[in-house]
Amino acid sequence: QQQVKQSPQSLIVQKGGISIINCAYENTAFDYFPWYQQFPGKGPALLIAIRPDVSEKKEGRFTISFNKSAKQFSLHIMDSQPGDSATYFCAASTVDYKLSFGAGTTVTVRA
Amino acid sequence: EAGVAQSPRYKIIEKRQSVAFWCNPISGHATLYWYQQILGQGPKLLIQFQNNGVVDDSQLPKDRFSAERLKGVDSTLKIQPAKLEDSAVYLCASSSRPPGGGETQYFGPGTRLLVL
Repeated sequence: QQQVKQSPQSLIVQKGGISIINCAYENTAFDYFPWYQQFPGKGPALLIAIRPDVSEKKEGRFTISFNKSAKQFSLHIMDSQPGDSATYFCAASTVDYKLSFGAGTTVTVRA
Repeated sequence: EAGVAQSPRYKIIEKRQSVAFWCNPISGHATLYWYQQILGQGPKLLIQFQNNGVVDDSQLPKDRFSAERLKGVDSTLKIQPAKLEDSAVYLCASSSRPPGGGETQYFGPGTRLLVL
């Protein structure tokens, strides 16, 4: 069963716009929530990660928002650029760091 | 620092044939993972090694899949016999610290398998 549900499946955004990807989980034992970025023909690469003791983490144009009570977290990509066109995966793990991935969101940034 | 290396990058086989994938993790990384990524889905963990021991292989279809990590470095994943539903990208990842501490998994480029 899929432990992390991700939406939307795909999105198109104009250059300079904001991309928002949402994820939800059920397992309250999850305590590590990374986002991975994957380009075609490449393996996923860690983009940004958060732990549930904070509600937001920002790195450059990428921000994770975390809502522990709702068991939801999201990735915001500000000022989206064509180079951000990729597939984004949310994931979650317990202390053993075995990652459960969402199904992925394909982001297309139009110039 | 060299990344995770995988070979071959692509493989096409007939169903019921066997196939093997190879992974060389980042130097010094004790933990190695194999994932299966079916088209349109997120990676699914197949097996996790800590040095040369298996930590978790609960999602590995053991009737046809096997994996080993000799000497705690390189690893091979084998499928025998392959089925059509095994068509996927097989990703290898490694990390530097045992589970229980903050760590990042570094992924290789994957091996794309097509079973006809």
